[in-house]
Amino acid sequence: AQSVTQLDSQVPVFEEAPVELRCNYSSSVSVYLFWYVQYPNQGLQLLLKYLSGSTLVKGINGFEAEFNKSQTSFHLRKPSVHISDTAEYFCAVSEAAGNKLTFGGGTRVLVKP
Amino acid sequence: DTAVSQTPKYLVTQMGNDKSIKCEQNLGHDTMYWYKQDSKKFLKIMFSYNNKELIINETVPNRFSPKSPDKAHLNLHINSLELGDSAVYFCASSQTGLTDTQYFGPGTRLTVL
Repeated sequence: AQSVTQLDSQVPVFEEAPVELRCNYSSSVSVYLFWYVQYPNQGLQLLLKYLSGSTLVKGINGFEAEFNKSQTSFHLRKPSVHISDTAEYFCAVSEAAGNKLTFGGGTRVLVKP
Repeated sequence: DTAVSQTPKYLVTQMGNDKSIKCEQNLGHDTMYWYKQDSKKFLKIMFSYNNKELIINETVPNRFSPKSPDKAHLNLHINSLELGDSAVYFCASSQTGLTDTQYFGPGTRLTVL
């Protein structure tokens, strides 16, 4: 069965500093990987996804993530954050032959001025 | 235009009551979902429908009954509400399967007193 672990529940970061959010997954088969963002009091919005091909995936708002099969990781990065990036970030995995997304516990990013 | 809408946004009710949450999507998607997000932000799928047919039914109490009158609507009816049902419920939709982006509604915050 698939599972996702987001190693950091909360990440404080100063404005214009880089940020990396860690995500590790567990699955014995091929997977699809996603990062979603949830702004306060809103629904989730897709940042980026990895389905196949290049392991470096670029998403919206300057975010990117790298799929590392050997380390079963899909870490999210942004080189310079803004106050508006303050939100909850969710990593999710689905098995290629499966039928559902499994979400990690979320990482709360708090950008400080 | 709202892509995925849910009503109501807030729902406060007493234990033992029956309540419904409505969801509509105007994206022309074939698949719709219900997720539950608990107080710790943990997000878990409850149900998935594809073209009005039930695809996923996770281990959810049978007090929860989804209904899809057409592929643009997926309503959630909850009988005999319990304190533990308090959560934010999100509806989502996607074009077809797991490789497609899921679009989330704004959520319904259910509080059971």
